[in-house]
Amino acid sequence: ETGVTQTPRHLVMGMTNKKSLKCEQHLGHNAMYWYKQSAKKPLELMFVYSLEERVENNSVPSRFSPECPNSSHLFLHLHTLQPEDSALYLCASSLSRGGNYGYTFGSGTRLTVV
Amino acid sequence: SQQGEEDPQALSIQEGENATMNCSYKTSINNLQWYRQNSGRGLVHLILIRSNEREKHSGRLRVTLDTSKKSSSLLITASRAADTASYFCATPREDFGNEKLTFGTGTRLTIIP
Repeated sequence: ETGVTQTPRHLVMGMTNKKSLKCEQHLGHNAMYWYKQSAKKPLELMFVYSLEERVENNSVPSRFSPECPNSSHLFLHLHTLQPEDSALYLCASSLSRGGNYGYTFGSGTRLTVV
Repeated sequence: SQQGEEDPQALSIQEGENATMNCSYKTSINNLQWYRQNSGRGLVHLILIRSNEREKHSGRLRVTLDTSKKSSSLLITASRAADTASYFCATPREDFGNEKLTFGTGTRLTIIP
């Protein structure tokens, strides 16, 4: 285990469902991130949280709604998704916000929208 | 927009051989990072090299950085089957105040036993 835990590992949901992805880190990091990984595309940064405050959302559609209740937990709430939202969703954390330190990633949630 | 681009996109070598992957980037950076991703899993941080460093080693990994050419290379020596994975370079964008760590599309490395 990397110290960043994501649940569930796999999720199949209908376009009208509401579900949530969970991420938890026990590394004492102050920044957490959601990335989307689609086939043959670079990782896309979705959201950045630093000390529980959202600092960037990168123009992500409103059907994705993040929540960061404390510095150890990060959620991604999903509703009325589209089939093109099927992807691997990765959570990561770093000592501080930005790219000056390495990121620790979770194992990801494989999302399939049907 | 994409910052780092890895080359080649795919590489197959025999076990025991050395594997070299390259990364080119576009803007000024203060560091460059390499990550490994096993199929369907999360990324694992391998090594970070700062802009004032030219070479860095970690076990069987050797990373070089040439800021004048805006390029980096990752060398894996004495490859093993377990090295089969995708490898990504990542750079913080200075034009975003180093706030964004952006990734390339990766090199898919296959080690043939």
